[in-house]
Amino acid sequence: GAVVSQHPSWVICKSGTSVKIECRSLDFQATTMFWYRQFPKQSLMLMATSNEGSKATYEQGVEKDKFLINHASLTLSTLTVTSAHPEDSSFYICSAGLAGRGELFFGEGSRLTVL
Amino acid sequence: AQSVTQLGSHVSVSEGALVLLRCNYSSSVPPYLFWYVQYPNQGLQLLLKYTTGATLVKGINGFEAEFKKSETSFHLTKPSAHMSDAAEYFCAVTAANQAGTALIFGKGTTLSVSS
Repeated sequence: GAVVSQHPSWVICKSGTSVKIECRSLDFQATTMFWYRQFPKQSLMLMATSNEGSKATYEQGVEKDKFLINHASLTLSTLTVTSAHPEDSSFYICSAGLAGRGELFFGEGSRLTVL
Repeated sequence: AQSVTQLGSHVSVSEGALVLLRCNYSSSVPPYLFWYVQYPNQGLQLLLKYTTGATLVKGINGFEAEFKKSETSFHLTKPSAHMSDAAEYFCAVTAANQAGTALIFGKGTTLSVSS
């Protein structure tokens, strides 16, 4: 149980276009999901906390208008990178937790390359 | 506020040797502590976690870690390294009394295993 799935795993897009990444909790409901960004050979940096039915909470330094987060249901959160630029190329990972378990379950990650 | 420090960005061992990956944390509240492993271009896999109870925690693949409150440490060990253990390892912390909070990650330690 407690499986989190991301789609797509890999995406290549042209500069200026928008890309949507989906994060689904497959066998549990997640009122809160988290989006992380990971640069090569570096750690995971929390970007934002996605709350079902309300606005996401962004970490300091993360552009809200560039990284749009929507958590429309208890099993789905989406991250849209708007007007993508090469510096947005990165590995994006989502996670969700089970109430009372105190741990997060991570998706497989989505590798974004902006040309 | 919470933080994690992983001492040593790169650790190299021989196959069959002891693995020791160091993690120190800072937390103003009782912490939950985790070790995750990441293989290239993949998400994170939970190795083990400490929430409450026994301070020596056993995880998957023969890894274990000991929570030492007095030393604010949660070092990861494995008695005998295997080639398949070569990966990136992340220590993470979250606040035990705050359900649905994000994990804060250390910068990671790359483990290399030579034959």
